[in-house]
Amino acid sequence: DAGVIQSPRHEVTEMGQEVTLRCKPISGHNSLFWYRQTMMRGLELLIYFNNNVPIDDSGMPEDRFSAKMPNASFSTLKIQPSEPRDSAVYFCASSLVGQPKQFFGPGTRLTVL
Amino acid sequence: AQKITQTQPGMFVQEKEAVTLDCTYDTSDQSYGLFWYKQPSSGEMIFLIYQGSYDEQNATEGRYSLNFQKARKSANLVISASQLGDSAMYFCAMKANAGGTSYGKLTFGQGTILTVHP
Repeated sequence: DAGVIQSPRHEVTEMGQEVTLRCKPISGHNSLFWYRQTMMRGLELLIYFNNNVPIDDSGMPEDRFSAKMPNASFSTLKIQPSEPRDSAVYFCASSLVGQPKQFFGPGTRLTVL
Repeated sequence: AQKITQTQPGMFVQEKEAVTLDCTYDTSDQSYGLFWYKQPSSGEMIFLIYQGSYDEQNATEGRYSLNFQKARKSANLVISASQLGDSAMYFCAMKANAGGTSYGKLTFGQGTILTVHP
């Protein structure tokens, strides 16, 4: 069975550029989560969706960040414009609504120069 | 608000011995879940074990067990018969299970790096 798929796995960009991270959840899962991992702040939730609807975006750091889930099998996290402090590993995770276990993707390592 | 505290930045254990990784939590939710994830050097997050706040028995998954002490708000992970492949970062996490303000959201601790010596 395919797990959560994220692309790209690595992204290096320059400050000011737009970055789009992509996630395909496990088929049948209806909750999707975006997390960010940094040395300073650890793992923190950015936003999560239930049935394609954003439920909690209180973790989105600022207006430069936006996330969409146009259908049950695809989500994007966009940063525009990107800044060096956005450098982190971004994880996508999915689960079934009401089920405790979240399955994580391999992550996207973002470096903003 | 939920908070997870892992007080051990690093732990060392000899191969084949058992090790306990500490986790304490704070929450105002009545129903919640506690999790442990493993993150090896390759970076992926691997689910290890889950304990519901109303589960009467401690959770076990193979060599992993969760020592849940609700009154003390602790959820320590016990790894028995350590293997070299257990060397990794371990995260404790929690979330509300139903109706709580944190429903769905995992809150993570800062992690403990475990090193298994041969």
